[in-house]
Amino acid sequence: ETGVTQTPRHLVMGMTNKKSLKCEQHLGHNAMYWYKQSAKKPLELMFVYNFKEQTENNSVPSRFSPECPNSSHLFLHLHTLQPEDSALYLCASSPQGEGVYGYTFGSGTRLTVV
Amino acid sequence: EDQVTQSPEALRLQEGESSSLNCSYTVSGLRGLFWYRQDPGKGPEFLFTLYSAGEEKEKERLKATLTKKESFLHITAPKPEDSATYLCAVQARNTDKLIFGTGTRLQVFP
Repeated sequence: ETGVTQTPRHLVMGMTNKKSLKCEQHLGHNAMYWYKQSAKKPLELMFVYNFKEQTENNSVPSRFSPECPNSSHLFLHLHTLQPEDSALYLCASSPQGEGVYGYTFGSGTRLTVV
Repeated sequence: EDQVTQSPEALRLQEGESSSLNCSYTVSGLRGLFWYRQDPGKGPEFLFTLYSAGEEKEKERLKATLTKKESFLHITAPKPEDSATYLCAVQARNTDKLIFGTGTRLQVFP
């Protein structure tokens, strides 16, 4: 399998549930990202990991908890979410080092909080 | 503050009717400007990277251009399969973060 794979594709959860989103990249990249995409808003950067270390947390509420066990896998653990957290959650990866690199995105997880 | 503004928000074209999408940006030293295409329910798909003013890139019916303040995505003789949301993003020097605009939703009718 190639590219960036996200699972599940769709998730419906209650406000008291705990769930996790998974992202896996097969590109040999060293940086991974979580973005939130809501209607009529720009993509919002949530977390950045470089070589498994978190290098950015964009003031994300603690009900979102990322985990990066290695450079190929990224998780987003969810608990006690609010309805306004419903959105498309996108994972992306990129190489690191010299040069200009764009991101490769996964297909996203469509999250609905009820 | 680094910022990206895209216009129009939505664009409806007849098949074959050429047009342009605009991306205005302010950034503290441009490292790169990116165009992505996003289909409903999918993640953004990379189209182009532009690095410096005056640069142009082409791919099939799409052509991206860059000035010091904005980028244009020109669509020549579009087809219905070009319907999608087109996203613009900038990357500033000394960072790997991409700052995105809100996108232009393009619909091409036969």
